[in-house]
Amino acid sequence: DAGVIQSPRHEVTEMGQEVTLRCKPISGHNSLFWYRQTMMRGLELLIYFNNNVPIDDSGMPEDRFSAKMPNASFSTLKIQPSEPRDSAVYFCASSASFFGQGTRLTVV
Amino acid sequence: GENVEQHPSTLSVQEGDSAVIKCTYSDSASNYFPWYKQELGKGPQLIIDIRSNVGEKKDQRIAVTLNKTAKHFSLHITETQPEDSAVYFCAASLTGNQFYFGTGTSLTVIP
Repeated sequence: DAGVIQSPRHEVTEMGQEVTLRCKPISGHNSLFWYRQTMMRGLELLIYFNNNVPIDDSGMPEDRFSAKMPNASFSTLKIQPSEPRDSAVYFCASSASFFGQGTRLTVV
Repeated sequence: GENVEQHPSTLSVQEGDSAVIKCTYSDSASNYFPWYKQELGKGPQLIIDIRSNVGEKKDQRIAVTLNKTAKHFSLHITETQPEDSAVYFCAASLTGNQFYFGTGTSLTVIP
């Protein structure tokens, strides 16, 4: 298995633009997690899905953030409009224990 | 909610020496405690975990101990090697879904 696959690995965008991060979890895993990592706040859970259903989105910082999981093999995290303070590394994890390589987002 | 504190934030050891990282948690109901290793440019990788019904768990050079009464748990790495250099995170969980992470320890093993 290739593990959790995230794309893109790096994203640089201008403030106000829409950003979409993508994740392909490990096949057969029922849970999917989106985390954000910054130097200031460490690792923060944004949202997690169980069997494609959002269970807890209390970590989503604002309405500008949204996440979907249309099927068991794909999830997206969207930020619209993006702001410089959204700059961070965003991780997707499969079943809480298997993390992807992350997407480094820079909003200028 | 749960609050996890991790110490030290940085740790340097000579190759071959042992390294110990400590974490405390606040919610006595937490029952699952994983440890992650994060190398530069990569995602955290689960290296060992322990459940609240166990006091100690070992996997080759890595061991984790748990003191439920004191609400603290520790990661022990023996015979450290340069490839052990990374950032290590502890976490606590009640449900196995919501994880509360420590702030990380940057370990440097000096050859």
